[in-house]
Amino acid sequence: QKEVEQNSGPLSVPEGAIASLNCTYSDRVSQSFFWYRQYSGKSPELIMSIYSNGDKEDGRFTAQLNKASQYVSLLIRDSQPSDSATYLCAANDGGNKLVFGAGTILRVKS
Amino acid sequence: GAGVSQSPSNKVTEKGKDVELRCDPISGHTALYWYRQSLGQGLEFLIYFQGNSAPDKSGLPSDRFSAERTGGSVSTLTIQRTQQEDSAVYLCASSFSDRANQPQHFGDGTRLSIL
Repeated sequence: QKEVEQNSGPLSVPEGAIASLNCTYSDRVSQSFFWYRQYSGKSPELIMSIYSNGDKEDGRFTAQLNKASQYVSLLIRDSQPSDSATYLCAANDGGNKLVFGAGTILRVKS
Repeated sequence: GAGVSQSPSNKVTEKGKDVELRCDPISGHTALYWYRQSLGQGLEFLIYFQGNSAPDKSGLPSDRFSAERTGGSVSTLTIQRTQQEDSAVYLCASSFSDRANQPQHFGDGTRLSIL
């Protein structure tokens, strides 16, 4: 089992809908969690971080963490075509390095 | 500049040559990380620095890879006797400290192509 797993997608949603991106993780990585957005040919850009169980909202983005079920999700409300990108879930193992999932491709269709 | 700066942005070299990749972190960030992203692969950790020390080098794929950091700022990743499998985008990130909850901010990367 990979330490951080994501569905590769692509996930297609219509403009204005809610996009739901999910990530599961192993016991070895269970401290801090991060969502990055990566446009094609560009570097990862930090969107959200979450450390405690529950929801964390920032604008159109909501991160959800459930440590009992070992999953973290990212909701994007009112999805826009500009949200089309690869979304990377990353977990910190309590040390210093981030362990990344393979990423989920999101396509928002206008 | 305000962000992490990497140079060169692109590097094409022949197999067997040595290459040096440079990273200038965000001012004031004490922790610096190198990752590699190969085509179709996820981001792979290589090494991290806290100040000028490298407490974790566990991701370096072979002894052809080395890195240093001087003055607690700029870091150089060196790949000796490059091989075709070294072709990838090399990403540098920095964070305010090396605490686990500190987010890492990435530079634009160096796209390395080995012919």
